[in-house]
Amino acid sequence: GQNIDQPTEMTATEGAIVQINCTYQTSGFNGLFWYQQHAGEAPTFLSYNVLDGLEEKGRFSSFLSRSKGYSYLLLKELQMKDSASYLCAVRAIKAAGNKLTFGGGTRVLVKP
Amino acid sequence: GAVVSQHPSWVICKSGTSVKIECRSLDFQATTMFWYRQFPKQSLMLMATSNEGSKATYEQGVEKDKFLINHASLTLSTLTVTSAHPEDSSFYICSATPGLAGGNEQYFGPGTRLTVT
Repeated sequence: GQNIDQPTEMTATEGAIVQINCTYQTSGFNGLFWYQQHAGEAPTFLSYNVLDGLEEKGRFSSFLSRSKGYSYLLLKELQMKDSASYLCAVRAIKAAGNKLTFGGGTRVLVKP
Repeated sequence: GAVVSQHPSWVICKSGTSVKIECRSLDFQATTMFWYRQFPKQSLMLMATSNEGSKATYEQGVEKDKFLINHASLTLSTLTVTSAHPEDSSFYICSATPGLAGGNEQYFGPGTRLTVT
């Protein structure tokens, strides 16, 4: 099976940087995704990593280390609208149809 | 980007009745659709994987006779909650993937909030 861990909650100040860590254990790793979800809404795609290293997309970056089973999502220049849950999800090679397993999600609260 | 719709966005039903939720991919053909449920302040829990023209694959612990899934076409999957009970009240979210040719991403619908009274 798969085991995905991420912190439950984080608080940060507007304009600051926050790093959300995700550790996973899976057989046949085939990609890690980060999604953002505002309360009562569907998740929206943020990033995808399948090779080691850093992927940067504007204010958001995601890092992956396959040997360590570790990823982080970095949010820079935090804005109030970034208050949301951030979900780490892992896909396994043998997962039928790109099935994802989600971590518990990290609620980020951005304070003024 | 790809758009997935769900209908209805919310529904209230009485205990014992059945409710059908539709998931449509609007601008792409979805070889696979997924159904999740999400309780308040919790993450998404995969219920089943639905492939067009074949039976859905249910996750362990999900009752296939209670949560009926039909994937009749490449753009439509339906989830029917049969004989609903208050404990079935949840946020149900579908997602769709175009398959290998369309990339890796799953596109999520806006979700359906089900309340069973």
